[in-house]
Amino acid sequence: EVVLTQSPATLSLSPGERATLSCRASQSVSNYLAWYQQKPGQAPRLLIYDASNRATGIPARFSGSGSGTDFTLTISSLEPEDFAVYYCQQRSNWPPITFGQGTRLEIK
Amino acid sequence: EVQLLESGGGLVQPGGSLRLSCVASEFTFSRYEMNWVRQAPGKGLEWVSYISSSGTTIYYADSVQGRFTISRDNARNSLYLQINSLRAEDTAVYYCARVFRGYSGYADYWGQGTLVTVSS
Repeated sequence: EVVLTQSPATLSLSPGERATLSCRASQSVSNYLAWYQQKPGQAPRLLIYDASNRATGIPARFSGSGSGTDFTLTISSLEPEDFAVYYCQQRSNWPPITFGQGTRLEIK
Repeated sequence: EVQLLESGGGLVQPGGSLRLSCVASEFTFSRYEMNWVRQAPGKGLEWVSYISSSGTTIYYADSVQGRFTISRDNARNSLYLQINSLRAEDTAVYYCARVFRGYSGYADYWGQGTLVTVSS
């Protein structure tokens, strides 16, 4: 099973700042990695798929990069609605589909 | 707009059973693979089960293998999860999620979830 480790657990930033979230896989997942955003009381929303492709309707301030075992989600300039929990997920070696434990992005 | 509406959650005693349902609308359900994903209170996301568009291929997480059964009825645009021998650790919000077509494994639409609470 591929274990995904996200860092940091919590990131405290201000609106307008740049956010960089990390996801590390226990073995190579090629580029088969997605990022999701989840706000309190809501279902997750797909942001990025296959490491760097934005899903439909996702603003350009969200970008993904990486391959193999190290991946990054970058939010170029934080908007108030971006403060949420972010999860990475791999589909390279499944089943099982696995998720990271999440990074909470909070307002500083 | 794609919609997924789960139902069937509730409070159940350890060892009990429930059947969760997910009704899909505004897309051709029979063409899409589907997943169940759960989230324990205050915790992260955990994949539970997968079913192919025809229902012929099914996978389960080790934690639910032998206790949970996924199925679908394409004529009724519905996905199901039969959950038996419930344990306290099965307490979670259960989401049905549509697999992003062509990118098996990712989920592009999610329902709002149904809460299953296992407690005596």
